[in-house]
Amino acid sequence: DAKTTQPPSMDCAEGRAANLPCNHSTISGNEYVYWYRQIHSQGPQYIIHGLKNNETNEMASLIITEDRKSSTLILPHATLRDTAVYYCIVRGYNTNAGKSTFGDGTTLTVKP
Amino acid sequence: SAVISQKPSRDICQRGTSLTIQCQVDSQVTMMFWYRQQPGQSLTLIATANQGSEATYESGFVIDKFPISRPNLTFSTLTVSNMSPEDSSIYLCSVSGGANEQFFGPGTRLTVL
Repeated sequence: DAKTTQPPSMDCAEGRAANLPCNHSTISGNEYVYWYRQIHSQGPQYIIHGLKNNETNEMASLIITEDRKSSTLILPHATLRDTAVYYCIVRGYNTNAGKSTFGDGTTLTVKP
Repeated sequence: SAVISQKPSRDICQRGTSLTIQCQVDSQVTMMFWYRQQPGQSLTLIATANQGSEATYESGFVIDKFPISRPNLTFSTLTVSNMSPEDSSIYLCSVSGGANEQFFGPGTRLTVL
């Protein structure tokens, strides 16, 4: 699985968009980008994943650069409940299913 | 998505004892995964549990310390044996979804005195 790099922490004002970057410069052609978050004292929660096209669901949007070496998770209107550690993970779609390598993630703090 | 429950949610144990953590999924799954999250750290995969076969352990984890059972397609247990304070962690059960996304249980917070 390709290695990912994320900033250790970020702040965001409530109601504003939170943009969380992830660098994955060694990603290979068949690897997907997955995002999870872990709210304090809870199990991680799946947010979204993508290969090369931008993706959007009810929780967030995922923007992947054309060269696929980086991506950005966007929470369009952050709330206090979005305060969590956000993990960006890269791995093959059909390989090592369930065996995700979690880095240190980004601690997002949403402030009133 | 899968709904996963774990028991107990937390426990405080004495050094040298063992604790068995249960994981129940609301649907049948081929593989279940056990992770450990030490205080202030990220998640580390302990092992993969397939029904009907021995669990596969990651580097640094051994069966004698973390025996796993997988009696059917919706249930698994992880035992933390001969515990020491270094075993104080959150233990998480996980399964994969149709798009290889992962779903996690709420975790078991273990404190070893």
